[in-house]
Amino acid sequence: DQQVKQNSPSLSVQEGRISILNCDYTNSMFDYFLWYKKYPAEGPTFLISISSIKDKNEDGRFTVFLNKSAKHLSLHIVPSQPGDSAVYFCAAKRENQGGKLIFGQGTELSVKP
Amino acid sequence: ETGVTQTPRHLVMGMTNKKSLKCEQHLGHNAMYWYKQSAKKPLELMFVYNFKEQTENNSVPSRFSPECPNSSHLFLHLHTLQPEDSALYLCASSQDDNGLNSPLHFGNGTRLTVT
Repeated sequence: DQQVKQNSPSLSVQEGRISILNCDYTNSMFDYFLWYKKYPAEGPTFLISISSIKDKNEDGRFTVFLNKSAKHLSLHIVPSQPGDSAVYFCAAKRENQGGKLIFGQGTELSVKP
Repeated sequence: ETGVTQTPRHLVMGMTNKKSLKCEQHLGHNAMYWYKQSAKKPLELMFVYNFKEQTENNSVPSRFSPECPNSSHLFLHLHTLQPEDSALYLCASSQDDNGLNSPLHFGNGTRLTVT
């Protein structure tokens, strides 16, 4: 049973618009959430994270929102740029679990000029 | 070199072969990980090493045998694999294996094909 789900395998957005990537989780013990970005032929790179004590974390064009009651998080990218085209993975873990992450399946974002 | 380096980038092996994947990190981290990404599936944790000691084996079959001689190097020894073991094998490192704010740094992976 998948504990972290990204139900949209792909998303296409126009350059300059907002990209919203969604992620749901089932395990209420998760208390730290991360987003990773992956280009073809490269490993995933860390993008942004959020602790369960917060509901929003912002870093430049990237904002992650956490709704604990709905067990849902989302990544907003605004404005979207063609270089943002990649696969985005949502991941979750319990406190003090270091790098032992549970990943979603990924959403492939395509930003069109 | 910087970051996490994996070799080889691509590997094709028969079911009776024995091969090894290598990972090296230059970040001064103490924890290293093997993850596996099969087609259309999420990344799955296989093994965790912290200060050279294995701290997690995520029910991985014995045909996969990890080795961590020091905090900078990690190997995955492969023998008598099955075609369904074909996948992208990713090595990662982090400062430690129990810190909250300890993001993983991944290598570029080894694309393994078992024929």
